[in-house]
Amino acid sequence: KAGVTQTPRYLIKTRGQQVTLSCSPISGHRSVSWYQQTPGQGLQFLFEYFSETQRNKGNFPGRFSGRQFSNSRSEMNVSTLELGDSALYLCASSTTVNTGELFFGEGSRLTVL
Amino acid sequence: EDQVTQSPEALRLQEGESSSLNCSYTVSGLRGLFWYRQDPGKGPEFLFTLYSAGEEKEKERLKATLTKKESFLHITAPKPEDSATYLCAVQGGGGDDKIIFGKGTRLHILP
Repeated sequence: KAGVTQTPRYLIKTRGQQVTLSCSPISGHRSVSWYQQTPGQGLQFLFEYFSETQRNKGNFPGRFSGRQFSNSRSEMNVSTLELGDSALYLCASSTTVNTGELFFGEGSRLTVL
Repeated sequence: EDQVTQSPEALRLQEGESSSLNCSYTVSGLRGLFWYRQDPGKGPEFLFTLYSAGEEKEKERLKATLTKKESFLHITAPKPEDSATYLCAVQGGGGDDKIIFGKGTRLHILP
């Protein structure tokens, strides 16, 4: 059974640009969550989607957005990038919503210059 | 506000030297406490879920326990392949159901 797939794995952007990250969940998993991981703050929750609807949202500015498609694949977008957005962005899928039993991808490492 | 604090931040042990990692939490109505393992360059890997005080779960050399204020991850006779960052997370019953992660304990097992 294939795991959670995130693309791209690495990317470099400059301040002011925007970025879109993609996540394909485990087959049959309908919930997708996004997390930002940095050395200083650890793992911080961005948002969770289930059946194409955002079910929960973390404390991030509106520059961070996401969506989920009918096949459960998800994308997140960060607009007007700032240096502080440099981080590992992790996607996790689960069979149900609001569960802590998450299956993570390997992440997309974003560097903002 | 829900909080999770893990200690120590880093731990170096000799192979075979047993120890425990701590996860202290403050949450309104614990719905679940979760342990994960994260290897460098990889996403976290789910290990255990604990729901109520007194509960224990085991997997190979790892045993997780839970009290009303903290959880311990006991590592018995560790091997170098147990080296990783161990993350603790909680889900409260306060209404928003968010999963809050601690910053982790970096464990290094020396051969």
